[in-house]
Amino acid sequence: ETGVTQSPTHLIKTRGQQVTLRCSSQSGHNTVSWYQQALGQGPQFIFQYYREEENGRGNFPPRFSGLQFPNYSSELNVNALELDDSALYLCASRFMDYGYTFGSGTRLTVV
Amino acid sequence: ELKVEQNPLFLSMQEGKNYTIYCNYSTTSDRLYWYRQDPGKSLESLFVLLSNGAVKQEGRLMASLDTKARLSTLHITAAVHDLSATYFCAVDIWQETSGSRLTFGEGTQLTVNP
Repeated sequence: ETGVTQSPTHLIKTRGQQVTLRCSSQSGHNTVSWYQQALGQGPQFIFQYYREEENGRGNFPPRFSGLQFPNYSSELNVNALELDDSALYLCASRFMDYGYTFGSGTRLTVV
Repeated sequence: ELKVEQNPLFLSMQEGKNYTIYCNYSTTSDRLYWYRQDPGKSLESLFVLLSNGAVKQEGRLMASLDTKARLSTLHITAAVHDLSATYFCAVDIWQETSGSRLTFGEGTQLTVNP
């Protein structure tokens, strides 16, 4: 049990649609980051939230957006889905300098 | 831009043998992580290396960090089939404007054969 839960586990969307992925972190973990892992590749940093504000962003377009809530949950929203958005999406929470705890991931397939 | 390179990318080894996976990175950092990933699964934390010269061991795996050489190694001793997985190193970079972020290597796909 990692303490970081993600939902849904899998989903299939059509190109052009919008999707919201959810992550619930451990209490006190006020930093959450999201990563995209395409098949056969290492995870790529999307963005990070600290105390409900985005404080870092990777090389992803604005149609990737997020939110973090006071209850340590967060969302990743992707608009205008493209086929290349098909990937495993991972959220990771962090408490101070104690490293990152990754959730189990959401497998998104865009058709 | 930070680059993290692992080698080899694919490793097939026999049970009982030893081998080392290398992780090189291109900018200063004193914080490096090793993760294991099984097919279709998330990332399992193996080691957190927080300073130059850090060495950690867990079972048949041992990781080390040389921040001056910008190199980390993951050494496998007497491999067993259960170690078959993909192994990632990830470098943690902190920037004042953007906080911390992990930059991952491409991963090393390890297969241990009987």
